[in-house]
Amino acid sequence: DVKVTQSSRYLVKRTGEKVFLECVQDMDHENMFWYRQDPGLGLRLIYFSYDVKMKEKGDIPEGYSVSREKKERFSLILESASTNQTSMYLCASSRPLAGAASSSNEKLFFGSGTQLSVL
Amino acid sequence: AQKVTQAQTEISVVEKEDVTLDCVYGTRDTTYYLFWYKQPPSGELVFLIRRNSFDEQNEISGRYSWNFQKSTSSFNFTITASQVVDSAVYFCALRNTGGFKTIFGAGTRLFVKA
Repeated sequence: DVKVTQSSRYLVKRTGEKVFLECVQDMDHENMFWYRQDPGLGLRLIYFSYDVKMKEKGDIPEGYSVSREKKERFSLILESASTNQTSMYLCASSRPLAGAASSSNEKLFFGSGTQLSVL
Repeated sequence: AQKVTQAQTEISVVEKEDVTLDCVYGTRDTTYYLFWYKQPPSGELVFLIRRNSFDEQNEISGRYSWNFQKSTSSFNFTITASQVVDSAVYFCALRNTGGFKTIFGAGTRLFVKA
């Protein structure tokens, strides 16, 4: 059974702490994504990666960074956590369409999410 | 800019009722893909359907059906004879051909009461 695994379901951190959210996928997918989900705003893309060591900013990258050292692992880093980063964080992965230059039509596979509270 | 609007924040129905979740999208691109995802209480979004902009044929899968109308930029989702297990948050999403980004709507929370 294919899977995207997020290391923690719930996290509580203090303002100013450095926070690591880990995501691992076992589907050999090239593409990985980090979203945050907030009530009334849906899912918003923070960062994505289409290959090892490659990363691209999404729509709300401020205050975040990412790391992709291995194909299966994509980490989201909050350098100095703030209360406005309290949110549900969702990791996703997808694969490019075989033979195509882009991955535009592949569906996303999601992890169960990490509910982060910054106090 | 791309946009997905799900105007219904919450819907509550009684089991066996039919329910339609609305989705209106906006994009300047002529080719794109539309998606619906379901997020049950467990939190993990699950893919339901993908439709490309060239295919306006409606689709039915069991109790689920989708109505794509390019003329009104809508991609609505109907659940027939709803069940308690359908209770979830449903997201409509859009991705342009050649792009990595999937844009999500705000979601519609569906409550199905026994």
